[in-house]
Amino acid sequence: SAVISQKPSRDICQRGTSLTIQCQVDSQVTMMFWYRQQPGQSLTLIATANQGSEATYESGFVIDKFPISRPNLTFSTLTVSNMSPEDSSIYLCSVALASQETQYFGPGTRLLVL
Amino acid sequence: AQSVTQPDIHITVSEGASLELRCNYSYGATPYLFWYVQSPGQGLQLLLKYFSGDTLVQGIKGFEAEFKRSQSSFNLRKPSVHWSDAAEYFCAVASSSNTGKLIFGQGTTLQVKP
Repeated sequence: SAVISQKPSRDICQRGTSLTIQCQVDSQVTMMFWYRQQPGQSLTLIATANQGSEATYESGFVIDKFPISRPNLTFSTLTVSNMSPEDSSIYLCSVALASQETQYFGPGTRLLVL
Repeated sequence: AQSVTQPDIHITVSEGASLELRCNYSYGATPYLFWYVQSPGQGLQLLLKYFSGDTLVQGIKGFEAEFKRSQSSFNLRKPSVHWSDAAEYFCAVASSSNTGKLIFGQGTTLQVKP
């Protein structure tokens, strides 16, 4: 398995601002993903972070709102832009060695937007 | 479309009692199935997975799950529940499109009575 860290672990932000979340893995991985878990809900995939190219977004998520970077095989960032209270969620990154392999999750970033 | 259903939103069992959490999936081919656990304030931890082979899979913390193709089910079981098992449990299926996307059920909250 991979050891995954996320920064920050939690934050409280004002509406209209942006927050960048970092995800760091202790080994090179093929695939990195970003999920959102709204309060009391299950996980929903936001996008797949592609190394060296634009992220692949799921329906309902757009790059302007959730820009993602992945400069190398061990690191990715997710930015939540122009935040509103509806963006209050846990944001989790996950990694996998290949597309059909087990995904391992980071500890999550707990975001509260006031 | 692929989907995962966890019929029980909330389950309460007494410590030492047996446990079964239900998971049904909708999928056109042999699925890759997972159970994750999320303790309060924590990220997701993999309990077990099924890719192929023996339909009864053993996981960590004394959990097991049985894949039943005829019933499209992948129920999680534990013979004797401990108070530390109180958590949120998620069943997930890997997308057939080889994108690595995981589709999660809504989750089951397990409460353990002393």
